[in-house]
Amino acid sequence: GAVVSQHPSRVICKSGTSVKIECRSLDFQATTMFWYRQFPKQSLMLMATSNEGSKATYEQGVEKDKFLINHASLTLSTLTVTSAHPEDSSFYICSAQADGYTFGSGTRLTVV
Amino acid sequence: TQLLEQSPQFLSIQEGENLTVYCNSSSVFSSLQWYRQEPGEGPVLLVTVVTGGEVKKLKRLTFQFGDARKDSSLHITAAQPGDTGLYLCAGARGTYKYIFGTGTRLKVLA
Repeated sequence: GAVVSQHPSRVICKSGTSVKIECRSLDFQATTMFWYRQFPKQSLMLMATSNEGSKATYEQGVEKDKFLINHASLTLSTLTVTSAHPEDSSFYICSAQADGYTFGSGTRLTVV
Repeated sequence: TQLLEQSPQFLSIQEGENLTVYCNSSSVFSSLQWYRQEPGEGPVLLVTVVTGGEVKKLKRLTFQFGDARKDSSLHITAAQPGDTGLYLCAGARGTYKYIFGTGTRLKVLA
């Protein structure tokens, strides 16, 4: 089946630094990928839709300058959390449309 | 505002019991999916329903899509400890942009 690989799985960074999370479709091409954020014991909140070769579409309330998304190829989308602060600590998950809807394994970001 | 409300929010039951999880909305969805998620992992797709009134079975799990495509239910028969996890419904209002429900955290005790 379709596989979406997300890296890193865990990252700890200092407040004020930037962190890049990668989402790759391993055996299929994905013109569209999605980025979600999940707080502990809560559901997934859609942050943005990543479109290959064009600008991402952000959901209401999501700061596009804070969460930079780049979808430079049909198999890779990246989410960069810029000038991270402790309140950005969360579980970030990407997904892509294949035969169904496949999710990466997530990235747990901790900002200290 | 969460478009999809799930109930119950938490459920703790004994092994062998049956349970039903509900996913409700005032919006119509073109399709609806159910996922199960374990801690520290991404959600895993269980089923997709697209037709109003549709019923799908996956071993001990039965999924139903409401006639008006605004709601869905997940019924688990004879629950097992391996069924423990966070169950999420997700509705699509476009081609493949899914919005997730509030989630139901299930714990099955041996």
